[in-house]
Amino acid sequence: DQQVKQNSPSLSVQEGRISILNCDYTNSMFDYFLWYKKYPAEGPTFLISISSIKDKNEDGRFTVFLNKSAKHLSLHIVPSQPGDSAVYFCAASGTGRRALTFGSGTRLQVQP
Amino acid sequence: DTEVTQTPKHLVMGMTNKKSLKCEQHMGHRAMYWYKQKAKKPPELMFVYSYEKLSINESVPSRFSPECPNSSLLNLHLHALQPEDSALYLCASSQVSGQSSYEQYFGPGTRLTVT
Repeated sequence: DQQVKQNSPSLSVQEGRISILNCDYTNSMFDYFLWYKKYPAEGPTFLISISSIKDKNEDGRFTVFLNKSAKHLSLHIVPSQPGDSAVYFCAASGTGRRALTFGSGTRLQVQP
Repeated sequence: DTEVTQTPKHLVMGMTNKKSLKCEQHMGHRAMYWYKQKAKKPPELMFVYSYEKLSINESVPSRFSPECPNSSLLNLHLHALQPEDSALYLCASSQVSGQSSYEQYFGPGTRLTVT
C-alpha cells in the first residue's frame, strides 16, 4: 500500500514558467513533509520541507503548499530553469518514526 | 556543512564475498539511516540508528548487517548477497530531538553490483 503517491511520472515545462509537482498521502500520522531533488546515480538533495502546523513554506524559487484536509501537498518552482531538470521525490515522516516514506517520483524536464 | 560521504562509490562483488559499505557525517547528527534504491524506484528504508543504537530494522535479510561504531560513522556489512541485491545504497543523517522530525541529508550512494 503506497502511503505517499506522486501520480504524475513526468512533467515538461518551458524555461521561465511555473512547475507544479503534486503529492498525495494517506497516512494521517504523517506530520512532516519534504521535497528532494535527485540526479541519476546521486543521492537525493534536500530542497524544502513543511510541518503539518503550516500550510505554506517558501525558500527562494521553491514554495511548498500543504492541504491537510485533502492530504495533498505541492511544490511550486518559479521561474523554472533548465538546471531544475531532475527527478523530484515527495517524502513524509510521522511523530516517533524517524524514517522517510518516499513517493515514486516525478521527472521534471525544463525546456530552454 | 551538510555533507554525508560514502565509500566506495562503486562495488562489484560475488555472491560468496564479504564487503562493507561506509558512511560518515560531521554535522553532529545523532540519527543515521540506510536506504536501498532500485532503478526507477524510490529509496526504501533499511535501518535507522538513533544515538548509535539500532531503532528500526525494516525486516532486512540477515545478509545485511549494520553497525554504528560512533556518532559519525555508519557501516553496512554485506555477506552472501544475491544478484537481486544489486542497487544504489544510500546513507543519510539527521538531527534528533524528542519526537520531532527533521530533514535528512543523503550521501551520494554506493552503486552495488552482485555477480
